[in-house]
Amino acid sequence: AQSVTQLGSHVSVSEGALVLLRCNYSSSVPPYLFWYVQYPNQGLQLLLKYTTGATLVKGINGFEAEFKKSETSFHLTKPSAHMSDAAEYFCAVSAAGGTYKYIFGTGTRLKVLA
Amino acid sequence: DAGVIQSPRHEVTEMGQEVTLRCKPISGHDYLFWYRQTMMRGLELLIYFNNNVPIDDSGMPEDRFSAKMPNASFSTLKIQPSEPRDSAVYFCASSPTNNSPLHFGNGTRLTVT
Repeated sequence: AQSVTQLGSHVSVSEGALVLLRCNYSSSVPPYLFWYVQYPNQGLQLLLKYTTGATLVKGINGFEAEFKKSETSFHLTKPSAHMSDAAEYFCAVSAAGGTYKYIFGTGTRLKVLA
Repeated sequence: DAGVIQSPRHEVTEMGQEVTLRCKPISGHDYLFWYRQTMMRGLELLIYFNNNVPIDDSGMPEDRFSAKMPNASFSTLKIQPSEPRDSAVYFCASSPTNNSPLHFGNGTRLTVT
């Protein structure tokens, strides 16, 4: 069984400040992990993914995430927030080699303050 | 590539009516997913197909919901009869292979009055 927990349904940061969005997962098999972003009235878009190999993955728009198996975490970071980063962010887990079933977290809405 | 195309973008209907949502996946993608998004429950997987065959429909809430994929380029999600609690945004997504990232459509916002 798999699950995803996103800590903080709402996060506010100042423009130029560090963005940190937290995601913890539970998986009985090696996980594939994803971060998606959703802008208003749109579908979800892939930011980045971890499957195997390097545990620090870089995505679009300057975001990156680090897979930490010991902490079962996959937190999303960006060194400097931009106004255009305001959106909802979803962490998702899928089972490597298992049933293809994405499980999404409940989402974190990021607000960027001028 | 036009991406995943969903229609209509908005649907307003009265309780008891039949609603049909449509999805055209990206050409060559073998997997198709239907999700429902609400404030209360977040993103819920309703059903997914592999090569037009339904693989897991355990997320379909009730018998009022049905989904079909008659060919590789088209899928429908039908609700009959609709109820106010079905109001949500319904997303279709597709992917080329097992565990590939999902490509989402822009969703259909359904309002049942």
